[in-house]
Order: sequence, then C-alpha cells, then structure tokens
Amino acid sequence: DQQVKQNSPSLSVQEGRISILNCDYTNSMFDYFLWYKKYPAEGPTFLISISSIKDKNEDGRFTVFLNKSAKHLSLHIVPSQPGDSAVYFCAASDSNTPLVFGKGTRLSVIA
Amino acid sequence: KAGVTQTPRYLIKTRGQQVTLSCSPISGHRSVSWYQQTPGQGLQFLFEYFSETQRNKGNFPGRFSGRQFSNSRSEMNVSTLELGDSALYLCASSLPGLGGGETQYFGPGTRLLVL
Repeated sequence: DQQVKQNSPSLSVQEGRISILNCDYTNSMFDYFLWYKKYPAEGPTFLISISSIKDKNEDGRFTVFLNKSAKHLSLHIVPSQPGDSAVYFCAASDSNTPLVFGKGTRLSVIA
Repeated sequence: KAGVTQTPRYLIKTRGQQVTLSCSPISGHRSVSWYQQTPGQGLQFLFEYFSETQRNKGNFPGRFSGRQFSNSRSEMNVSTLELGDSALYLCASSLPGLGGGETQYFGPGTRLLVL
C-alpha cells in the first residue's frame, strides 16, 4: 500500500518556465510534508517543507502548496533552470511514523 | 557544520558475505535513519535509531540490522548478502524530536554491489 504517490515518473520543462511536481497521499494523519531533490550517486538534498497547519510555504524559487482536503501537495519551481534537473521526492510523516517517500519524479529542464 | 558522512562510499561483495556500513550524523543530531534505494523503488525505510535505541523498523528481513553508539554514530549490517541487496544505502540524521515533523538530512550514500 503506497501511502505517498508521485504519479508522474518524469517531467520536461523549458528553461525559464514553471515546473510543477505533484504528490498525493492517502494517510490523513500525515502532518508534515517535505520535498527532496536528488542527483545521481548523491544523497537527497532537503528543499522545502510544510506543516499541515499551512497551505503554502515559499523559499526563493520554490513554493510548496498543500491541499489537505484533496490530500495533495505540489512543488512549484519558477523560473526553472537547467541545474534543477534531478529526481524530486515527496515525503510525509505524522508524529509517530518515519518519513514515507514517494517514488520520485525526474525533472528535465531543457535549455 | 559538517554534513552527514557515510563510509565507505562504494563496496563490492559476493553473495553470502556480510557487510557493515557506517554513518556519522550532523553534530547535535541524535536520530539516525537508514534507507535503501533501488531503481524504480524510491527510498525504502530500513530502521531508525534514537539515543542508541531502535525507534522504528521497516519491512526488511532480519539479515538487516543496525545499531547506534553513544556518540550517535550508527552502523548497519547486512548478513548473508543476496544479489537483490545491491542498492544505494542512505543514512539520514535529524534533531531530537517526537519521531515526526523532523527534517532529515541525508549523507551521500554507500553504493553496494553484490556479485
């Protein structure tokens, strides 16, 4: 049973445009959500997080939106840059469980 | 502040052997988690240690074990290696907390190849 789903395995975006990565979850007890970025042969790098008491969190070019009623979150990257090309993982947790990760979405930003 | 470090970075073993991987968390972090990443499977949780005690465990066979020392450094051990154990093993550390709502910071991983 996959509690965190990233339904798009890959996404291609033109440089300068907006990248939107999506994530759905099934466990209504999740109250903390994170996005990580991963380059090949490296560990994931923390990007941005959001608590369930908020519906939006922004950090520079990265914004995470949380829709609790739809159990959906998204990561917006604007403007997209070639260096953003990586695999992006969505993760979620509640106060009693470890982080649960989605399977990732590979973003390619085309110059 | 130094990040999470993992040793070794690369390892080649043969079936049936055992392996020990090491992780040093960020200074001040007392929680250490281990994950296995294989192609197409995302990050699968192995176990989490906090103050030398296993706090959570994923769905992996007993061949996978770990421990944490008083300085928060952690090791994981895989015995009787199988070909399917070939993967990137990632360690992550976080500040003390209740087990949730913590941001985990990852090391570079150990790439294990079982022949």
